Amino acid sequence: DTAVSQTPKYLVTQMGNDKSIKCEQNLGHDTMYWYKQDSKKFLKIMFSYNNKELIINETVPNRFSPKSPDKAHLNLHINSLELGDSAVYFCASSQARYSPLHFGNGTRLTVT
Amino acid sequence: SQQGEEDPQALSIQEGENATMNCSYKTSINNLQWYRQNSGRGLVHLILIRSNEREKHSGRLRVTLDTSKKSSSLLITASRAADTASYFCATDGAGTALIFGKGTTLSVSS
Repeated sequence: DTAVSQTPKYLVTQMGNDKSIKCEQNLGHDTMYWYKQDSKKFLKIMFSYNNKELIINETVPNRFSPKSPDKAHLNLHINSLELGDSAVYFCASSQARYSPLHFGNGTRLTVT
Repeated sequence: SQQGEEDPQALSIQEGENATMNCSYKTSINNLQWYRQNSGRGLVHLILIRSNEREKHSGRLRVTLDTSKKSSSLLITASRAADTASYFCATDGAGTALIFGKGTTLSVSS
């Protein structure tokens, strides 16, 4: 069974569109995250959720909004997509805030 | 912002050789972690070393931590082609999630 799964794997869309990326973990972890990896492989924390509460909201545009319907899911909604949003987005989970992270395999977003 | 910086950015070696990667960070930490990322995949946790530990081993991996120099090293002994990947260090800090460095790309040729 895949521990952290995210869909879709690839997402190609045009500027101005709204899109969502879904993430689910079956590890029973309390904390979930979204990271953005740019073309130079730099990973930047975007959000984390602990027991459905947002505990970190880094300086990302408010076009990005995380939504967690339950402890096992953390979806990422992106409004009015821009060219600069093109990147690989990773979902991850951990038992506690600084525990080892379990990553999904990423969603490659391409905005044209 | 607190962030690990790996060195070198890229490393090419032959199978059987040892690979050493270094990580430097800026502020005090509780623990430091190393991750591997294969091409097109998510990161995989390799090892965690706490601030009160100086060395840790896991199979062919050896991690050292020098908190006085704010640095860590990852040694992979007897490298294999399957070790080809990017390696990242990650550090914690009060009020933040894990912060990752820019990674070292390791290429092991047979």
